[in-house]
Amino acid sequence: DAKTTQPPSMDCAEGRAANLPCNHSTISGNEYVYWYRQIHSQGPQYIIHGLKNNETNEMASLIITEDRKSSTLILPHATLRDTAVYYCIVRVESNDYKLSFGAGTTVTVRA
Amino acid sequence: EPEVTQTPSHQVTQMGQEVILRCVPISNHLYFYWYRQILGQKVEFLVSFYNNEISEKSEIFDDQFSVERPDGSNFTLKIRSTKLEDSAMYFCASRLDRVETEAFFGQGTRLTVV
Repeated sequence: DAKTTQPPSMDCAEGRAANLPCNHSTISGNEYVYWYRQIHSQGPQYIIHGLKNNETNEMASLIITEDRKSSTLILPHATLRDTAVYYCIVRVESNDYKLSFGAGTTVTVRA
Repeated sequence: EPEVTQTPSHQVTQMGQEVILRCVPISNHLYFYWYRQILGQKVEFLVSFYNNEISEKSEIFDDQFSVERPDGSNFTLKIRSTKLEDSAMYFCASRLDRVETEAFFGQGTRLTVV
């Protein structure tokens, strides 16, 4: 699976959009971008994933650049409960679902 | 909303003792996983399990570790002779049997080896 690079930390104001960048310059054509988050040592929680099109669900939006070398996770209206470590993971889609977690981005939402 | 359940939430054991960590995956899921996270470190993959056999394991998952799905609902991780370095949060996860589906993680069992 391709490696990803994320900033170690970022702050966000409550109610504002949080934009979390992820670089994956070595991504190959059959690799998906997945985002998970981990709130205070709880189990990781799936957020969203995509291949090349932008995706949106009830939690977030995922914007993938046209060359697919980077992506941005957008939390549209951050709340204090969104304070967590956010992981960007690139992987080949297969039945075997081993996830390789990096250090992620620690997002702190401030009131 | 269906969820993965892990018990106990915290287990303290003496070095050298056997421990069994238990997980109840989501009922219609067919792929099962164990991960662990040592305090302050990354979440690490241990093992994946499908169709009653291990499909992949990491180098962490040595002979001291084993997994089992004894009764069609529980999924267990056994550590035969615990070491101090086994102290960690252990997360169970499960997934449906098709691609492009997410894994659902349990809340974890904190194992403390003393």
